Amino acid sequence: QVQLQESGPGLVEPSQTLSLTCSVSGGSISSGNYYWSWIRQPAEKGLEWIGRIHSSGITHYSPSLESRVSISADTSKNQFSLRLSSVTAADTAVYYCARYQSFMDTFDYWGQGTLVTVSS
Amino acid sequence: QSALTQPPSASGSPGQSVTISCTGTSGDLGSYNFVSWYQQLPGKGPKLMIYEVTKRPSGVPDRFSGSKSGNTASLTVSGLQAEDEADYYCSSYAGNYNWVFGGGTKLTVL
Repeated sequence: QVQLQESGPGLVEPSQTLSLTCSVSGGSISSGNYYWSWIRQPAEKGLEWIGRIHSSGITHYSPSLESRVSISADTSKNQFSLRLSSVTAADTAVYYCARYQSFMDTFDYWGQGTLVTVSS
Repeated sequence: QSALTQPPSASGSPGQSVTISCTGTSGDLGSYNFVSWYQQLPGKGPKLMIYEVTKRPSGVPDRFSGSKSGNTASLTVSGLQAEDEADYYCSSYAGNYNWVFGGGTKLTVL
């Protein structure tokens, strides 16, 4: 059973960079069949896809966040990370990491999520 | 405002059927059969219930079914049970390596 766990600071100051890491167990992020994704959910709102990375290094980002987002992977640690720069209060949300299964064209496993608040 | 439109709430009594809609555009949901549905319990991450419009992952009860017509997809829960009470979200591939989600529907079992 694949498990994903988000970690990182719960509070980030405005204009700073949000950094989160997703640790994957029960499967390797080096497998070619998957992309590793970040998705967020502001309070009382819907989900928003942020971006994804393949073990080959290929990345795709949401057009609305592309200028501020970077996703990287560390296959030796079986982890992947999110960096979101120049944050504002609008970036306050629960951030989820998830596995995108290419054969099913869907996000089949999700982490529990971690709340990040942008405030001074 | 979410890219896909869902009703904020839906409800039904135990044993009844409930259908939740998810409306997109011809540029996303209407163009691709990559629609998924997720169940989210309070304080938990979403759980995949339906993928590729109609397919159920292993372990998901066959009471859950999906369909699509034009720019609207639907999730039907038959034989409602108390444990089905949760938030449900739809998602769709939107082209150009972009994915969109709905705003979520809170399903209440009366």
